[in-house]
Amino acid sequence: AQKVTQAQTEISVVEKEDVTLDCVYETRDTTYYLFWYKQPPSGELVFLIRRNSFDEQNEISGRYSWNFQKSTSSFNFTITASQVVDSAVYFCALSEGLKAAGNKLTFGGGTRVLVKP
Amino acid sequence: DSGVTQTPKHLITATGQRVTLRCSPRSGDLSVYWYQQSLDQGLQFLIQYYNGEERAKGNILERFSAQQFPDLHSELNLSSLELGDSALYFCASSQTYPYNEQFFGPGTRLTVL
Repeated sequence: AQKVTQAQTEISVVEKEDVTLDCVYETRDTTYYLFWYKQPPSGELVFLIRRNSFDEQNEISGRYSWNFQKSTSSFNFTITASQVVDSAVYFCALSEGLKAAGNKLTFGGGTRVLVKP
Repeated sequence: DSGVTQTPKHLITATGQRVTLRCSPRSGDLSVYWYQQSLDQGLQFLIQYYNGEERAKGNILERFSAQQFPDLHSELNLSSLELGDSALYFCASSQTYPYNEQFFGPGTRLTVL
C-alpha cells in the first residue's frame, strides 16, 4: 500500500529564512508520480509540482526547489528566502502507476509553515 | 483559479439530512476525483470517475454516493448525515495520460449540526 509521511507538523521561520519540508513515501510500484500542493489560509489546494519516478532531476522554480531521491524515497521541498505569503500548509502526495484515466492521490499529513515578518 | 468549480461553498445542515455537492471539472478533463479533508483523517480520497464511469473507490462510506454526468460534471451525495461528516470536500480533475496532476476546486465546507 502507498503511504506518504511528512514528519514535520509545523515549522515557524522569520521572513527571508530558508525552510525545507521533508517528505518520505512508500510504494511498491516502480512507476509513480510525486506532487507538492499548497493550501493557503483561504483553503484551496494549489498544485506546485509533479515529479515522475523515472526522472530524478532536481528542479528549481523561482524561490522553490525540489530534491527527489529514490534511494531514500524522499521528495523534499525548499523555499528560499521565505516570505509572509508563503505561510500555508504544504502537502506532499503520491500517485501510483500509469493509468490513462489517472490515479488517486495519497496525501501526507501536511506541514504548516508560518513565516513571521 | 484552477478552473474547477464547486458549489455550494458552504453548507450547514442537521444530522440525518441529505445534501448534494456539485463539481464542474476543467474544460477537457475527463477524470473527476472527490476528497474529504477533516482534522482527524486529513486529506482522503473518496472516489474517482472517468468519462462517466466509476474508476476507483477509496474510503467512501456507504451513505455517500457519486456520479458523473454526460457533460462531465459530478455530484457527491451524502445522506443520513452525522456530526463526523463535517469536513471540507474537494473535487479535483485531471487530464488523461500521461499527465496526472490534479487541479482542485475551492471546496465545499460542510457543517453538520
